[in-house]
Amino acid sequence: GAVVSQHPSWVICKSGTSVKIECRSLDFQATTMFWYRQFPKQSLMLMATSNEGSKATYEQGVEKDKFLINHASLTLSTLTVTSAHPEDSSFYICSAWSPLAGGTQETQYFGPGTRLLVL
Amino acid sequence: DQQVKQNSPSLSVQEGRISILNCDYTNSMFDYFLWYKKYPAEGPTFLISISSIKDKNEDGRFTVFLNKSAKHLSLHIVPSQPGDSAVYFCAASPNSGNTPLVFGKGTRLSVIA
Repeated sequence: GAVVSQHPSWVICKSGTSVKIECRSLDFQATTMFWYRQFPKQSLMLMATSNEGSKATYEQGVEKDKFLINHASLTLSTLTVTSAHPEDSSFYICSAWSPLAGGTQETQYFGPGTRLLVL
Repeated sequence: DQQVKQNSPSLSVQEGRISILNCDYTNSMFDYFLWYKKYPAEGPTFLISISSIKDKNEDGRFTVFLNKSAKHLSLHIVPSQPGDSAVYFCAASPNSGNTPLVFGKGTRLSVIA
């Protein structure tokens, strides 16, 4: 299947700093990327939907000014956690989708995730 | 309110036996269901899917059953192997396309040799 990478795989930062997480589709162009967050022993919760070239659509309860999403190209989306706090510590996972990569839910490919720890 | 529920947080099965993982959903709009396997610190990998027009889909050792009237689906793994030990997530979507998935909390399967 297609490959989606995330960078960094883990990050530790101080409270109040900003952290940028990259999500790349390596061998296909992703028209849509989704950002999920997973807390321990919880399900993956959708944070936002990002379509290339347009503003991200955020889920209810997710602060768009705190979690900045940019999908400037068909192979790259970034999530920036601004002014991070300890409660933002979580596992962040992106997924990438393209109609040209099959166009079905099976072709929503997930990245390996980024573990964020805010001290 | 959880729309996709996996009520068993963990399951232990002996190698060679059948593993049955269950999933219930509440949203009648869900039309497409998927199972993912996830190892620690990795993203989910797609395992098998089923659309609401079917009640069964089989792929090798993995079979998914859907009971739409009961809003229930299950994943059967037979025979279970130690390499199947992972967290299994059930996910649902209103269609098969670029819509986000709604995930359950996952069931940790341990296959004991």
